[in-house]
Amino acid sequence: SQTIHQWPATLVQPVGSPLSLECTVEGTSNPNLYWYRQAAGRGLQLLFYSVGIGQISSEVPQNLSASRPQDRQFILSSKKLLLSDSGFYLCAWSAGNEKLFFGSGTQLSVL
Amino acid sequence: SQELEQSPQSLIVQEGKNLTINCTSSKTLYGLYWYKQKYGEGLIFLMMLQKGGEEKSHEKITAKLDEKKQQSSLHITASQPSHAGIYLCGADNQGAQKLVFGQGTRLTINP
Repeated sequence: SQTIHQWPATLVQPVGSPLSLECTVEGTSNPNLYWYRQAAGRGLQLLFYSVGIGQISSEVPQNLSASRPQDRQFILSSKKLLLSDSGFYLCAWSAGNEKLFFGSGTQLSVL
Repeated sequence: SQELEQSPQSLIVQEGKNLTINCTSSKTLYGLYWYKQKYGEGLIFLMMLQKGGEEKSHEKITAKLDEKKQQSSLHITASQPSHAGIYLCGADNQGAQKLVFGQGTRLTINP
């Protein structure tokens, strides 16, 4: 069966520090991968979308970047965190046009 | 861009009571998804609706999509503590599961 792993679960980082969140999917090949952010008062927003290795689509302008170095690995990064980057980050995968399967999320607090 | 508005934003009901959550779209819905989220966790898929007038049920939860495909409702019968959480509707009008989500409805069940 397919599983999605996301880590860390919580992260507290100072402003200006770098960020790396990792997400891996098991039990499927060539998944579509997604990074969403859930910020207080702003709902769940799609940040990045990937259909394959090295293929990243940025959905909103921001301080973050994403990379997909392997078929089932999706990484969310930042060189310098801002206070506004705080939020709950969710990785998800789908098989084409089927429903999204979400990871357990990372709560990021930038102080 | 498409926007989804959920109502109410929060809901407190007595255990055993019925309740309804609404999701209204600014554009015609071609794929409407309902997810449930426990606080601080990932999203769990509940149901997906595509056709006007469609209705689906799972256990005590029923979701409907209106004939005009611009509004969906989620109805819970005889609510239980396990139903507590945040319910989100999502729309897929771009294809490839790039879902736009509503703000969510926080449901609390009082014993």
